Amino acid sequence: AQKVTQAQTEISVVEKEDVTLDCVYETRDTTYYLFWYKQPPSGELVFLIRRNSFDEQNEISGRYSWNFQKSTSSFNFTITASQVVDSAVYFCALSEAIYNQGGKLIFGQGTELSVKP
Amino acid sequence: DTGVSQDPRHKITKRGQNVTFRCDPISEHNRLYWYRQTLGQGPEFLTYFQNEAQLEKSRLLSDRFSAERPKGSFSTLEIQRTEQGDSAMYLCASSFPESYTEAFFGQGTRLTVV
Repeated sequence: AQKVTQAQTEISVVEKEDVTLDCVYETRDTTYYLFWYKQPPSGELVFLIRRNSFDEQNEISGRYSWNFQKSTSSFNFTITASQVVDSAVYFCALSEAIYNQGGKLIFGQGTELSVKP
Repeated sequence: DTGVSQDPRHKITKRGQNVTFRCDPISEHNRLYWYRQTLGQGPEFLTYFQNEAQLEKSRLLSDRFSAERPKGSFSTLEIQRTEQGDSAMYLCASSFPESYTEAFFGQGTRLTVV
């Protein structure tokens, strides 16, 4: 069965600190996709990144970076120089790769990030 | 606004009443999902449609729940004989059918059963 674990329930940092959100996943599929979503207080889930299981290159987008390691089944998310606007709940998610049988997301429990000024 | 739209945003109902939620997906997306999110948890998959066909239903979707997507456009989720345990945020998302594409979410309908 597929499972996503985000062990950090809450993280609190002071503005400009770097912070890493951990994500560990379980799947027996050889082809799968990993996602990160942000959920601000308004409730809407905002897509941040997608990574497929064959692409282990790390990715950087502005202050955001992602580290995907298949050997440890982890897909961690780092925010550099955090800002108050980064305060939100962040979800890691896993998707099966079988067309017409997949696409649904298995979410972790989320990590609530609070960035204080 | 061309995003996923959900209506209503909030619903308070008495236990035992029926409720219906609506979701309008992004127009070119033929896949539509419903998720439920309880406080402090991640969203849990309920069901999804490809066009008008309901392709999968979670075990979470009891007999009191029914979803439709007539003509493959908007979708409705109905809960009959609501229970307090149904209180949650109901999220709708849409995407292209390829599983590598990201899903776009609406702002959700928050249901409170009193």
